[in-house]
Amino acid sequence: SQTIHQWPATLVQPVGSPLSLECTVEGTSNPNLYWYRQAAGRGLQLLFYSVGIGQISSEVPQNLSASRPQDRQFILSSKKLLLSDSGFYLCAWKTGGNTEAFFGQGTRLTVV
Amino acid sequence: QQPVQSPQAVILREGEDAVINCSSSKALYSVHWYRQKHGEAPVFLMILLKGGEQKGHEKISASFNEKKQQSSLYLTASQLSYSGTYFCGTEEGSNYKLTFGKGTLLTVNP
Repeated sequence: SQTIHQWPATLVQPVGSPLSLECTVEGTSNPNLYWYRQAAGRGLQLLFYSVGIGQISSEVPQNLSASRPQDRQFILSSKKLLLSDSGFYLCAWKTGGNTEAFFGQGTRLTVV
Repeated sequence: QQPVQSPQAVILREGEDAVINCSSSKALYSVHWYRQKHGEAPVFLMILLKGGEQKGHEKISASFNEKKQQSSLYLTASQLSYSGTYFCGTEEGSNYKLTFGKGTLLTVNP
C-alpha cells in the first residue's frame, strides 16, 4: 500500500535561518507531488508541484524553493526564513490527472 | 486559477442540512472535495469528472454542473462529526496542477 511521510511534525526556527522539509512517498512510482501552505485559519495555497524528477512548477514567487532529487522525494527549502513563512506545510501526492490526492500529516512551522 | 468557494462559514444544529458551492470561470477537468479537521491533514471525500455527474457518500453528496464550471457539496442531516473545513480542489487541464478554494468552515452544534 502507498504511504506518505512528512517530517518534522513541528518546527520552530529563528528569522533568517535556513529550512528543509522533506516528503517521501512509498508504494508507488512516478507520483505527482505537491507542496501546500496553510496560514492559520486560511485556505490551502499551492506552492510547488512536480510531475517528474527535476521538474518543478512554482506557483507563488517567494523565498522558498523546491527540489525533487528522486522519484518519490520532494524537498521544500529556504535559505533565509521570514516571519511570514510561518504556517502549516502539507505535502501531497497523486497518480496522474483526475485522481484522489493523499496528504501527509503536515509540518507546523513557526518562525520566531 | 483558484476556485471560488461559498459560503466562507456555516453554523448548523445537528440534523440540519447545508450546501457548499465551488465555482470556476472556466471548464474544469475535475473537481475534488476534501474535509479537514483542525490541525490534521485534509481527507478525500469524492471526485467528480463528468458534467452532470452526481455522487453520494453516506449523507454527503456532490454534483457537477453540465458546463463543468460549478460543483456543490450537500450535507444532509448533519452530525457532529461533520464539523471541519471543506475544500474544493480543481484541475483545469492535463498539467496535473491541483488548486484549492479558500475553504468553508462548517460547525455543527448539538
